[in-house]
Amino acid sequence: SAVISQKPSRDICQRGTSLTIQCQVDSQVTMMFWYRQQPGQSLTLIATANQGSEATYESGFVIDKFPISRPNLTFSTLTVSNMSPEDSSIYLCSGQMTVGYTFGSGTRLTVV
Amino acid sequence: AQSVTQLGSHVSVSEGALVLLRCNYSSSVPPYLFWYVQYPNQGLQLLLKYTSAATLVKGINGFEAEFKKSETSFHLTKPSAHMSDAAEYFCAVSARMDSSYKLIFGSGTRLLVRP
Repeated sequence: SAVISQKPSRDICQRGTSLTIQCQVDSQVTMMFWYRQQPGQSLTLIATANQGSEATYESGFVIDKFPISRPNLTFSTLTVSNMSPEDSSIYLCSGQMTVGYTFGSGTRLTVV
Repeated sequence: AQSVTQLGSHVSVSEGALVLLRCNYSSSVPPYLFWYVQYPNQGLQLLLKYTSAATLVKGINGFEAEFKKSETSFHLTKPSAHMSDAAEYFCAVSARMDSSYKLIFGSGTRLLVRP
C-alpha cells in the first residue's frame, strides 16, 4: 500500500503566524484528505484536496484559514493561517487507494 | 450523509478476557467500514476493513469484526486481550459522496487492559 511522508512531525508556533504542512505519497492515490485531531478527540475531516483545483471544505472550515494545495497526484499541503492556541491539534493527511486509506504520521502543532 | 457511533468512550477489560468494542453506522448507500488503532503519540494503523465481501472480517493482531446490515453494526472483537492492546480504537465509514469516498470517524473508544 502507499506510504505517506508528512512533515513537520511537530512544531511550536507563535500565535498570528502560519504553518504549512506537507504530505508526499510514494505512489498515486485517487483522493487526498486533511484531518484535524484535537487533544483527546477523534479525527475531523477538514477538506478534500482536489488535484489541480480548489479543495472542498467541510462545514466549519474555510479556505482563508486552511488553504490547501494539491499540484499533482502525490503531493499536497495544508496551511494553518493566523494561528491561535485553539489551533493546537494533530493534523493528518490521508490518501485514498482502490479500497482503503493510508495516513501520514501526523503533525503535532502547538500554538503559544 | 453517513455517520458512525461508537458506544462507550472507555472500555476496561482484564488481560485474557474478551474484547468487544461497539460500532454502529448510518449510511444511505452500502458502506465501506474500517477499524483503526492509535497507540499513544502515534499515527493511525488499519486493523481491518469491510468492503462488501465476506461479512466476517479478520484483521491484524487477532482482531475481527462482523458486518451486520440488519443491525447496522460493525463491532470489533478479540477473544483474549493482551496488555499491548491498550490503545484508542476508531471505527470509520465511507460511502461515495460527490465522487469522493470521504472517510468519517467515530468518536473513538479507549481500551484499557488490566493485569
